Amino acid sequence: EAQVTQNPRYLITVTGKKLTVTCSQNMNHEYMSWYRQDPGLGLRQIYYSMNVEVTDKGDVPEGYKVSRKEKRNFPLILESPSPNQTSLYFCASSLIGTGDNEQFFGPGTRLTVL
Amino acid sequence: GENVEQHPSTLSVQEGDSAVIKCTYSDSASNYFPWYKQELGKGPQLIIDIRSNVGEKKDQRIAVTLNKTAKHFSLHITETQPEDSAVYFCAASRDGSYQLTFGKGTKLSVIP
Repeated sequence: EAQVTQNPRYLITVTGKKLTVTCSQNMNHEYMSWYRQDPGLGLRQIYYSMNVEVTDKGDVPEGYKVSRKEKRNFPLILESPSPNQTSLYFCASSLIGTGDNEQFFGPGTRLTVL
Repeated sequence: GENVEQHPSTLSVQEGDSAVIKCTYSDSASNYFPWYKQELGKGPQLIIDIRSNVGEKKDQRIAVTLNKTAKHFSLHITETQPEDSAVYFCAASRDGSYQLTFGKGTKLSVIP
């Protein structure tokens, strides 16, 4: 089944404890992206990747890191999480390396930072 | 950068009635306008999209209209059903852009 998977789905952590949210797609997509969803603010892009080893900042990159060593994986790293990073996170991918094509979203990761 | 405004933020309709959600965008170079539906506990899913070389696109009970001059586009859902209840997001992008800018979302409730 073609899909985007994220792990973990739920995570409660404490301020300053490094964490990684994994994202994987099995559709051989070039483009991958991370969004955060907050009430009243909609979906905001954190980072995106046009292809392997090519990444760039989105609209809200502060406090996050990403890497794209393989085409299928695009992990999101929070080196020192803070309470304002409590949010619902979505990974997405699309076939072509630009944003103007259908994006396929993962099921989401709900992160709480205490 | 692009800014997308979406209205209303919440919308309640009776089953069988029509629902309309409107979005405006700021970048006149934007030419790709998708709509995503997010059901409870799931990620957003594309339901329809339109590019600027057309003014309207339909898919069964769903239609999207685009007015490039006014820089606004709308989602129309006819004969609404309870399963249409969800959060709907509009978005905008332009050719070759690596980013898709989303509106803040509309929570649609269809009352049986």
